[in-house]
Amino acid sequence: QVQLQESGPGLVKPSETLSLTCTVSGGSISSGSFYWSWIRQPPGKGLEWIGYIYYTGNTKHNPSLKSRVAISVDTSKNQFSLKLNSVTAADTAVYYCARGEVGVGFEHWGQGMLITVSS
Amino acid sequence: SSELTQDPAVSVALGQTVKITCQGDILRNYYASWYQQRPGQAPVFVIYGEDNRPSGIPDRFSGSSSGNTASLTISGAQAEDEADYYCNSRDSITGHLVFGGGTKLTVL
Repeated sequence: QVQLQESGPGLVKPSETLSLTCTVSGGSISSGSFYWSWIRQPPGKGLEWIGYIYYTGNTKHNPSLKSRVAISVDTSKNQFSLKLNSVTAADTAVYYCARGEVGVGFEHWGQGMLITVSS
Repeated sequence: SSELTQDPAVSVALGQTVKITCQGDILRNYYASWYQQRPGQAPVFVIYGEDNRPSGIPDRFSGSSSGNTASLTISGAQAEDEADYYCNSRDSITGHLVFGGGTKLTVL
């Protein structure tokens, strides 16, 4: 059974960079045609897709986040990561990592991690 | 445009049938997938493709699609089905993913 776990600092200062890592267990990040995604949910609001990456390194991200997002993958550690720069209070949210598949959706999710942007 | 629209709230009497809809042009090319989210929990994958249920999802959950509208139907709603439901799909041109705004289901 594939499992995903987010990790990183829970508090980030305004204007700094949010950095999160998702560790995948129970399966290889390099197998299949899956995409590895970041999704967030501000308190009391809906889900927002941030971006995804294939193990090959190909990425897509939500254009609403402009150029603030960078997603990378480390196949040797079975991990993928998110960096979101120039954060503001509006970036405060629960951040989820998830495994997706084209034509299917997100079958596996991490438990989520609350990231607060505050000085 | 790459948007998915859901009704913000829907209610259903215990044991009755409810349909939750999701509308958007991108659904003409890719099916929606559906997620259930209870308060304080991560989303759970409940429907994908034309009408497929992941392992462990009760058969009272079903999906359908027509044109630019996808639907999630719960036949015989139970108290534990009270949750937020989100649709998700993919823009066939850009490869971007989109979530609907979510529907809060209340079981009366």
